[in-house]
Amino acid sequence: GAVVSQHPSRVICKSGTSVKIECRSLDFQATTMFWYRQFPKKSLMLMATSNEGSKATYEQGVEKDKFLINHASLTLSTLTVTSAHPEDSSFYICSASAPGGLKLFFGSGTQLSVL
Amino acid sequence: DAKTTQPPSMDCAEGRAANLPCNHSTISGNEYVYWYRQIHSQGPQYIIHGLKNNETNEMASLIITEDRKSSTLILPHATLRDTAVYYCIVRPPGDSWGKLQFGAGTQVVVTP
Repeated sequence: GAVVSQHPSRVICKSGTSVKIECRSLDFQATTMFWYRQFPKKSLMLMATSNEGSKATYEQGVEKDKFLINHASLTLSTLTVTSAHPEDSSFYICSASAPGGLKLFFGSGTQLSVL
Repeated sequence: DAKTTQPPSMDCAEGRAANLPCNHSTISGNEYVYWYRQIHSQGPQYIIHGLKNNETNEMASLIITEDRKSSTLILPHATLRDTAVYYCIVRPPGDSWGKLQFGAGTQVVVTP
């Protein structure tokens, strides 16, 4: 099946620094990718839709200047958490729709801890 | 979009079948039923999906009632590695993945 790779799997950073998370579709092209965040014992919440070659679409309440999304190619989307604070600590997950659109595949997630 | 209702938790004995129910009474005629699971600290994993007919793959079987208002995911022989949160999701056809709503899911614990 289609594979979505996410890197890094875990990152610890100091407050005020920026962190970049990569999401790659390994064996298919994805014009659209999705970014979620998940707090402990909670369900996934969609943050934004990443569109190749155009601006991302953010869900209500998600700060676009804080969570920068770049979808520069058909196989790579990046999420940069800028000026991270402890409240940004969370599990971030990306996903992409496989060709044909009938299945959505997820990355393995990135656990961000901001000290 | 139609919403789903699942029991919050379920225990299952290793080697036995696990039957996970899901209610989606407001589902529309062209909306698919999808099941995903999420093992702790990992991204969700696709299990199976269906529209009207029952479906089976190497992981599970999906039974959809004739009126489509509910479905059951069947794990035929549960193993300890099947311990996870299972999400039942309803999705319209077409480019609608961005509208996907994950509910609380069912926490399945498989015990020896």
